[in-house]
Order: sequence, then structure tokens, then C-alpha cells
Amino acid sequence: ETGVTQSPTHLIKTRGQQVTLRCSSQSGHNTVSWYQQALGQGPQFIFQYYREEENGRGNFPPRFSGLQFPNYSSELNVNALELDDSALYLCASSLGGHVPREQYFGPGTRLTVT
Amino acid sequence: GQQVMQIPQYQHVQEGEDFTTYCNSSTTLSNIQWYKQRPGGHPVFLIQLVKSGEVKKQKRLTFQFGEAKKNSSLHITATQTTDVGTYFCAGLNAGGTSYGKLTFGQGTILTVHP
Repeated sequence: ETGVTQSPTHLIKTRGQQVTLRCSSQSGHNTVSWYQQALGQGPQFIFQYYREEENGRGNFPPRFSGLQFPNYSSELNVNALELDDSALYLCASSLGGHVPREQYFGPGTRLTVT
Repeated sequence: GQQVMQIPQYQHVQEGEDFTTYCNSSTTLSNIQWYKQRPGGHPVFLIQLVKSGEVKKQKRLTFQFGEAKKNSSLHITATQTTDVGTYFCAGLNAGGTSYGKLTFGQGTILTVHP
């Protein structure tokens, strides 16, 4: 076990709704990254937070946003949900900030948009 | 944008046979990481390679980073049923402006028949 926790485990939402996913990083880790993993694909980088600031972003629209809190936990918010947003959302914590070191992944949140 | 391709997509082997997966990047990488994801699980970090031509071993697993830092491979000797899962490479673009943006390949799914 990595010590990274995510909630909720599963979630079903309707198109157009908004969702908030939560992640608690491993003790001592100051960097959190969020990934979207569609079925049969590799994780796609959404963004990374380091010291409560967005530290890098992948090719995701602005309706994907996030926060990192002083205790290094993090949230991923997705507005105006679309059917294609259905996926496994993974957060990963690590040390070091700018240059990614080994990522410790949480178990993920399975989001279904209907 | 940067693309990371992995081949093969699937590999079925008999227990005891060897297995190799290859990872190729469209751009030069500053480092590459390898992860394993068991069915229904989350990615678990295996190793990170940083230097051109680097070779690292973990028991039956051998990881290589190409001289040009654009390709990498993972070789498993004498596979066991516990090796079942999807193996991902993930690279960080050299000189990129997106700090922390790891790009994952689509993975190689390994099945091992006892």
C-alpha cells in the first residue's frame, strides 16, 4: 500500500453536472499529480500541484481545475461533465516538485458520466 | 506534442518464457520511469532511468535506457504468473516547459499461462 488515499471510490454523475474528487498524499510528500485513465489506455497527465500552486498542465480544458491544501491533500474539480469524462481518475504523490520522482498512486476514483 | 509508444500492445507467454516490452518517444527524454498495473489496480512504480545508455536490474527484470534517450525497454527473464499485469513506461520531455508532465505509453498487457 502506498498511503495515498482517494475518495470516493466510485461515482456516477449526469452530463452537465460538476464533480469533486479528493486525494490525500503519502506522508511527507509535497507534490500531487492527477491523471485520467480511460479503459485500456495509459494514464494521461491532467496537472500537478506543488506548494499549493499548479506546476504543470496537460492537454485538458479549463473545466478541469484543482487545489492543493497546506497539508498537501488535493482536489480535482470537473465542471460541465461530458460523457468522455468517464474514466478512472488517479492521483499520485511524490517528492520534489518540478522534476517528477517516483509517483505513488492512489487506488483511483471510477467516474461514470451518463 | 510528445508521444510515447509502446510495443507490443499484448503479449501472451508460457510461464518460464522471457518477455520484453519496448518504449519509444517522439522526443528526447530527460528521464523515463516504468510502472506495473495489476488488473483492477493502480500503477506501481518499478524504476527510474536517467542516464543515456543506463541499464538497471531488479531480480528477473532488466531495464535499459537508449543512448539517444528516446527509447527504453523492460525485459523479464523466466516469467512467473505473478508478473501478470500491464507495464507502462512514462517519460519526462527534456527541456519541456510543462514541469512534472509525465507522458505515459499505452502499456503492454502481459498474460502468463501456467
